[in-house]
Amino acid sequence: TQLLEQSPQFLSIQEGENLTVYCNSSSVFSSLQWYRQEPGEGPVLLVTVVTGGEVKKLKRLTFQFGDARKDSSLHITAAQTGDTGLYLCAGAQTNAGKSTFGDGTTLTVKP
Amino acid sequence: GAVVSQHPSRVICKSGTSVKIECRSLDFQATTMFWYRQFPKQSLMLMATSNEGSKATYEQGVEKDKFLINHASLTLSTLTVTSAHPEDSSFYICSARRTSSGNTIYFGEGSWLTVV
Repeated sequence: TQLLEQSPQFLSIQEGENLTVYCNSSSVFSSLQWYRQEPGEGPVLLVTVVTGGEVKKLKRLTFQFGDARKDSSLHITAAQTGDTGLYLCAGAQTNAGKSTFGDGTTLTVKP
Repeated sequence: GAVVSQHPSRVICKSGTSVKIECRSLDFQATTMFWYRQFPKQSLMLMATSNEGSKATYEQGVEKDKFLINHASLTLSTLTVTSAHPEDSSFYICSARRTSSGNTIYFGEGSWLTVV
């Protein structure tokens, strides 16, 4: 059973459209991170959320942590071709030695 | 700038030889580092957790004698792929956990291993 479910797995949209990626779990996380990875490179940290209900904005990206700290979403407004990549969420639990990753969302933004 | 550095970024080795990949935390000490393997268009597959000063913890199905992990200092972990075979060719990524920032995990740049 996947501890952290990420959806959708694949997303192909036109430039200018909006999109939302979700990470859901039945477990509570002390913090949750979102990463973006381009082919052939390591994942790059976008944001860390730690407080239930927290909303963080990074230019056109909006990240939300659920009130119960079990889920999170990433919303991209007016997507650009440069947003293309693999988006990963990862949840950290206080008493666990490792973070749990979602399966990733491969986003393709077409011009 | 990068907070975790991985080296080499690309390596080609002959079948049967061993190759070492280094992972360094640049501006923080990391008692815990992680090693992943990633296949094209897939998420990260955790191979093992590297613990400074103690043995690594391997995930189920990962051969510890083949993928040797050493975490000799608080800023360096190494992964050695022993007796490499073409099927070991993959993208290997390390990460380090920064406890001072909400247990955030930072990734290295990744290493492409090609076994010929």
